[in-house]
Amino acid sequence: GAVVSQHPSRVICKSGTSVKIECRSLDFQATTMFWYRQFPKQSLMLMATSNEGSKATYEQGVEKDKFLINHASLTLSTLTVTSAHPEDSSFYICSARPTLGGAFFGQGTRLTVV
Amino acid sequence: SQQGEEDPQALSIQEGENATMNCSYKTSINNLQWYRQNSGRGLVHLILIRSNEREKHSGRLRVTLDTSKKSSSLLITASRAADTASYFCATGIYNQGGKLIFGQGTELSVKP
Repeated sequence: GAVVSQHPSRVICKSGTSVKIECRSLDFQATTMFWYRQFPKQSLMLMATSNEGSKATYEQGVEKDKFLINHASLTLSTLTVTSAHPEDSSFYICSARPTLGGAFFGQGTRLTVV
Repeated sequence: SQQGEEDPQALSIQEGENATMNCSYKTSINNLQWYRQNSGRGLVHLILIRSNEREKHSGRLRVTLDTSKKSSSLLITASRAADTASYFCATGIYNQGGKLIFGQGTELSVKP
């Protein structure tokens, strides 16, 4: 089956620093990737849709200057949380869509900002 | 934007009993999917039902879809302690391929 690798699985960073999370499709090409955020005891909220070679589309209320998304190749999308604050602590998870459809999720990244 | 609602929010049952979770949504969909998430972990895809299907089975799972009522249900039969997890429905929005909108989830606890 299709495999999506997300790295790192856990990261702790200091307030004010930036953190980059990678999402890779290992055995298929993904023209579209999605980034979700999940706060404790809550559901997954779609943050943005990332299309290879073009700008990401952000959901309402998500700051595009704070959550930088780059989808430079058909197998890699990155999410950078800039100037992280404790309220950005969350579980971030990506999904990748193959050409033929479907959506495959990465394992998620637990971000803790101290 | 969140569009799915699930009930109950929490469900506690004994091992061997059946568990039923319901999901409602608001817009036109291509499909509806159910996922399981163990505490603090990633998502496990359980089952997908397309908008033109009404019922689907996979092992101990049975999913129904009623597009006229914009609702779906997930039934887990003969539950086991290992089924303890959070369960989410997710709708694949029509004409927005791959984009999923998740429901609020049901936290299932199966007591041995």
